[in-house]
Amino acid sequence: NAGVTQTPKFQVLKTGQSMTLQCAQDMNHNSMYWYRQDPGMGLRLIYYSASEGTTDKGEVPNGYNVSRLNKREFSLRLESAAPSQTSVYFCASSELGRGNTEAFFGQGTRLTVV
Amino acid sequence: DAKTTQPPSMDCAEGRAANLPCNHSTISGNEYVYWYRQIHSQGPQYIIHGLKNNETNEMASLIITEDRKSSTLILPHATLRDTAVYYCIAAAGGTSYGKLTFGQGTILTVHP
Repeated sequence: NAGVTQTPKFQVLKTGQSMTLQCAQDMNHNSMYWYRQDPGMGLRLIYYSASEGTTDKGEVPNGYNVSRLNKREFSLRLESAAPSQTSVYFCASSELGRGNTEAFFGQGTRLTVV
Repeated sequence: DAKTTQPPSMDCAEGRAANLPCNHSTISGNEYVYWYRQIHSQGPQYIIHGLKNNETNEMASLIITEDRKSSTLILPHATLRDTAVYYCIAAAGGTSYGKLTFGQGTILTVHP
């Protein structure tokens, strides 16, 4: 049981380049999330998906797009990377709206934009 | 989701109980209190959650005041491996969708 898997684990981009961060969960969860964490800061919600086919903005959505490809996968795209997007990105999944269970987090993608 | 307030940092001696407070004075009736921790920039790890009653599991105990405006996470016998950032979150459960919104958390340092 892999839980939440994020790829890649590390990435360096040049300003203006685009990339997609991948996230997949194997727990049949309906809800999935993308967070970013800057050095010394807490996690900030970028986008979330309550269920397959729906996505909503979180606190810091500017500069990002998301796709809930299916129930398992939730990707985060940076269309034109900027140095301010240098951060650690965490994906999570849960059944928070049902049964009040825990959220599971991936190990993170460490992104540097130069 | 209700806003939560936590002290920025706390210390605890190894083997002693660590009591981490959290204020959530605007919590609504359908919001649960969740606790997560993050060790050394790993992905956050779930600890415990509760609605009204006190809860205990193998990791910790959660004490929620009767008016639900505050809570305390208790690690009964802290170890050096419990050094982490602890996050208190109020989020809707039940039939309502609840997204997890993290604050700054409390940096707990357990020392020998």
